[in-house]
Amino acid sequence: SSELTQDPAVSVALGQTVRITCQGDSLRSYYASWYQQKPGQAPVLVIYGKNNRPSGIPDRFSGSSSGNTASLTITGAQAEDEADYYCNSRDSSGNHGVFGGGTKLTVL
Amino acid sequence: EVQLVESGGGLVQPGGSLRLSCAASGFTVSSNYMSWVRQAPGKGLEWVSVIYSGGSTYYADSVKGRFTISRDNSKNTLYLQMNSLRAEDTAVYYCAREIAVAGIYYYYYMDVWGKGTTVTVSS
Repeated sequence: SSELTQDPAVSVALGQTVRITCQGDSLRSYYASWYQQKPGQAPVLVIYGKNNRPSGIPDRFSGSSSGNTASLTITGAQAEDEADYYCNSRDSSGNHGVFGGGTKLTVL
Repeated sequence: EVQLVESGGGLVQPGGSLRLSCAASGFTVSSNYMSWVRQAPGKGLEWVSVIYSGGSTYYADSVKGRFTISRDNSKNTLYLQMNSLRAEDTAVYYCAREIAVAGIYYYYYMDVWGKGTTVTVSS
């Protein structure tokens, strides 16, 4: 299967921890990457590989993977973390990209 | 500064054609994997196409046979030629640099994105 499945919406209280998950068969072979997108803006890479953060991404963002599930964890969510989050990987052929449907994160 | 700037979007009638450009600065397009990703209004991200540094190209089933990805090394620019456009191709189109890492686990990630260009297919 070339699909990645995400929960459509998740909410978290300010300062608490939230985990956003992404499921798909291809995640048994490829690490996912994670992107944050705020309204009217281009996506921004927040996690890649096993658990790597690009320069400028706060260390409250972390990633993990187990079996067919990749997770993005925000420890101590801030108001500015409210956004849509997308996972991305490759399909079983390795030559076609695939995105999850996205998770809208609300910080209460 | 590493940067991508898309252009070429606009309003086109169903069945028409459009060519999108993505000008890169701060790195060499031909030495990298380069991708197009689109986002329909109010929808999620959709992977469209990739061109590898070696020149191989791949497409989403939804655009295969209608879209062509290419690059001009002398202009350090990526292109997306879109033919036989349909209403469902209406979206913001982003270009992105994609990094591929080989190891025990392969992984890919898009570390540089343009701001996008809007394509509207409507009569």
